[in-house]
Amino acid sequence: GDSVTQMEGPVTLSEEAFLTINCTYTATGYPSLFWYVQYPGEGLQLLLKATKADDKGSNKGFEATYRKETTSFHLEKGSVQVSDSAVYFCALIRLSGTYKYIFGTGTRLKVLA
Amino acid sequence: DSGVTQTPKHLITATGQRVTLRCSPRSGDLSVYWYQQSLDQGLQFLIQYYNGEERAKGNILERFSAQQFPDLHSELNLSSLELGDSALYFCASTVGGPRTGELFFGEGSRLTVL
Repeated sequence: GDSVTQMEGPVTLSEEAFLTINCTYTATGYPSLFWYVQYPGEGLQLLLKATKADDKGSNKGFEATYRKETTSFHLEKGSVQVSDSAVYFCALIRLSGTYKYIFGTGTRLKVLA
Repeated sequence: DSGVTQTPKHLITATGQRVTLRCSPRSGDLSVYWYQQSLDQGLQFLIQYYNGEERAKGNILERFSAQQFPDLHSELNLSSLELGDSALYFCASTVGGPRTGELFFGEGSRLTVL
């Protein structure tokens, strides 16, 4: 079945460091891919998305490119801030069948000043 | 504000009891998803509804049940509660069907079972 695998956390970085959080997926067909972020004490919110191969999603300095050849959707940011400390979830949905949303296990990011 | 409303925000109860969590989706959204998030764990998918009908089931215990009503709000019923059921329960909504895109999450209902 469909699945999402993302790197284990926690990830601890100093402010202004480069961030990569790996995400790979398994799905038949052409899923849409998402990154969601959960700040402390809050629900999840969409960070960025990509709906087809080679699309790049971007928001708030974060980027991720839909790579069909490597079935990956890695999240990157060139310079993290303390305010980026949160849990990041990679997710996919295949727009057929049950339209079930599949989430990864989440990666906790802690940014130190 | 995501537009998804969950009540109650906090709930403390005893083992063996039964509780009901309520979710009002965003206006116009037909699909509702329920997730459980325990401490230091990811999101566990419980169940999904689309326009009143169950569409997909995840790791939902037999002690748990849910439904989506004609006005599209949804309720998650948890019975014979155990300590391990203590968690944050999220509801999320989306348009649903072929136009499904972003999931909009509520702020969650935090359940503590003592």
